[in-house]
Amino acid sequence: GAGVSQSPRYKVAKRGQDVALRCDPISGHVSLFWYQQALGQGPEFLTYFQNEAQLDKSGLPSDRFFAERPEGSVSTLKIQRTQQEDSAVYLCASSRSSHNEQFFGPGTRLTVL
Amino acid sequence: QKEVEQNSGPLSVPEGAIASLNCTYSDRGSQSFFWYRQYSGKSPELIMFIYSNGDKEDGRFTAQLNKASQYVSLLIRDSQPSDSATYLCAVNIGRTGNQFYFGTGTSLTVIP
Repeated sequence: GAGVSQSPRYKVAKRGQDVALRCDPISGHVSLFWYQQALGQGPEFLTYFQNEAQLDKSGLPSDRFFAERPEGSVSTLKIQRTQQEDSAVYLCASSRSSHNEQFFGPGTRLTVL
Repeated sequence: QKEVEQNSGPLSVPEGAIASLNCTYSDRGSQSFFWYRQYSGKSPELIMFIYSNGDKEDGRFTAQLNKASQYVSLLIRDSQPSDSATYLCAVNIGRTGNQFYFGTGTSLTVIP
């Protein structure tokens, strides 16, 4: 596709539910990043993939957060046992390499009730 | 101290004026610098990137980088109401090369 796509665009979960957020990067982009953006804040780094390898997951806020990119293309961010503080917009971005400019998807707005 | 700091604003300028947005960063090893524009409810979109000291111009936008002083700025000439948005500064921190730190953004309003 022409750009980064994410699904679903909106997700409402009850506290304690598991959710899975999908990111489809720009074709050929090696690097893929996940960010969490709270209202009125800038995106906060969560994790980074180079192809299928997760090279940095230092930004994941707890062990309830898990990300994978098994074939080096589509990535999934999974949040287990969601909490209200997980409510945010989750942004995915891809780039040709780790130092290049990133292109963002539309984001998934997660609301945990 | 945050890795990347921006004045949250709001910054208001009249249409046709120059808008000046500033950003400072803490890590001297930072390698690359980016400005993103984010409209309310939308995802960030890239405006410019800069790697070397000095100015880089692209249309109405000029990015300025001063590594000695650890700041990067964005000038918007002939500001238009459509430029009203939040502007995010992002820095690729040098120590890992993989982490991009974003500022909290500066809200800009261009008054017709």
